[in-house]
Amino acid sequence: DGGITQSPKYLFRKEGQNVTLSCEQNLNHDAMYWYRQDPGQGLRLIYYSQIVNDFQKGDIAEGYSVSREKKESFPLTVTSAQKNPTAFYLCASSTGANTEAFFGQGTRLTVV
Amino acid sequence: AQTVTQSQPEMSVQEAETVTLSCTYDTSESDYYLFWYKQPPSRQMILVIRQEAYKQQNATENRFSVNFQKAAKSFSLKISDSQLGDAAMYFCAYRSAFANQAGTALIFGKGTTLSVSS
Repeated sequence: DGGITQSPKYLFRKEGQNVTLSCEQNLNHDAMYWYRQDPGQGLRLIYYSQIVNDFQKGDIAEGYSVSREKKESFPLTVTSAQKNPTAFYLCASSTGANTEAFFGQGTRLTVV
Repeated sequence: AQTVTQSQPEMSVQEAETVTLSCTYDTSESDYYLFWYKQPPSRQMILVIRQEAYKQQNATENRFSVNFQKAAKSFSLKISDSQLGDAAMYFCAYRSAFANQAGTALIFGKGTTLSVSS
């Protein structure tokens, strides 16, 4: 079945460590996105990519980095520079045309 | 920049009744798309309904319908014959029809938590 897979579902990180969240899609979508969800804040855009080897910062990119080496993959690294990384992270993709975005199941990151 | 506002953090409804969730947005663009997503306790984002701004007819999907008022920049979601499974957080989202500063990313409101009682 086509879809978006995020892993792991739960992730724990010690302060000062970098951690990478995985996002893979087999929908053949060009565009991929990372959102952060905090209680009462809705979904805020971290990074997006509309094509392989190209990506742009969203509204809250500080402390995060991404890569887009393959069409299917858009991993997000949460660096030690992110001061408040505990949150729920959602990856999404779309054709880039006039359609909705499809979402993965999310990763809950907790700093311990 | 475009913004989406959901002014109702929480709403409640009884089974079989009708409830309307509000959403307003701000944009200077003439062509765009609007969406309602549902996020149940599993936290999986599920598309409920979408509306193209150039279409005057309000979108409908079974028990879900929207009231799209382009001039007022309003996009409310009506849920008829509410069911226990409708309990979730609902997000309103905006998407430009053009690739712009945010590409084709969706811009979300802060959400409305809907509870359904029997």
